[in-house]
Amino acid sequence: AQSVTQLGSHVSVSEGALVLLRCNYSSSVPPYLFWYVQYPNQGLQLLLKYTSAATLVKGINGFEAEFKKSETSFHLTKPSAHMSDAAEYFCVVSDQWTGNQFYFGTGTSLTVIP
Amino acid sequence: SAVISQKPSRDICQRGTSLTIQCQVDSQVTMMFWYRQQPGQSLTLIATANQGSEATYESGFVIDKFPISRPNLTFSTLTVSNMSPEDSSIYLCSVEPGQQETQYFGPGTRLLVL
Repeated sequence: AQSVTQLGSHVSVSEGALVLLRCNYSSSVPPYLFWYVQYPNQGLQLLLKYTSAATLVKGINGFEAEFKKSETSFHLTKPSAHMSDAAEYFCVVSDQWTGNQFYFGTGTSLTVIP
Repeated sequence: SAVISQKPSRDICQRGTSLTIQCQVDSQVTMMFWYRQQPGQSLTLIATANQGSEATYESGFVIDKFPISRPNLTFSTLTVSNMSPEDSSIYLCSVEPGQQETQYFGPGTRLLVL
């Protein structure tokens, strides 16, 4: 079975500082991994995805994530936080063998301090 | 990608009543999904709705409470029946365009049951 663990339900960073949101997954088969962002009172927007191509994935708004199989991790980073990055971030795992069913992490709320 | 709209965007309902949520996609898709996001929590899959077959419900969700229609490849409805305050949530639909292994989400319907 697949599962996702997001360490830290709340993360605060100063504007301009590094953003690091942690995600570890469990999957019995090669996974597909995603990061979604949910801005206040909005739906979910795809930030980036890993589907067995390059292990370092670049997404929108300057975010990137690295798939590390040995660590079963898919941490999300951004070199310099912006006030507009304040949102809820969800790590998601799926695999082709379960009909691409998505398994969501519990989410990390990012606060950016001016 | 896909552009998804939902109606209504929000509603306040009385307990014991029912609400039907509509999900419209700008392209034909086979796989559609309905999720619930309870306040401050992550997303939980309610059911998968593929055109031409009965919806498949996840554990804890039943057709009598959440009937789903999928009349064509661009449209689906989810009804929340006999509502109680515990049904207050955001309901989101998503789609998976063919062979993209990615889900795209609608903006959500924010439901408050009094």
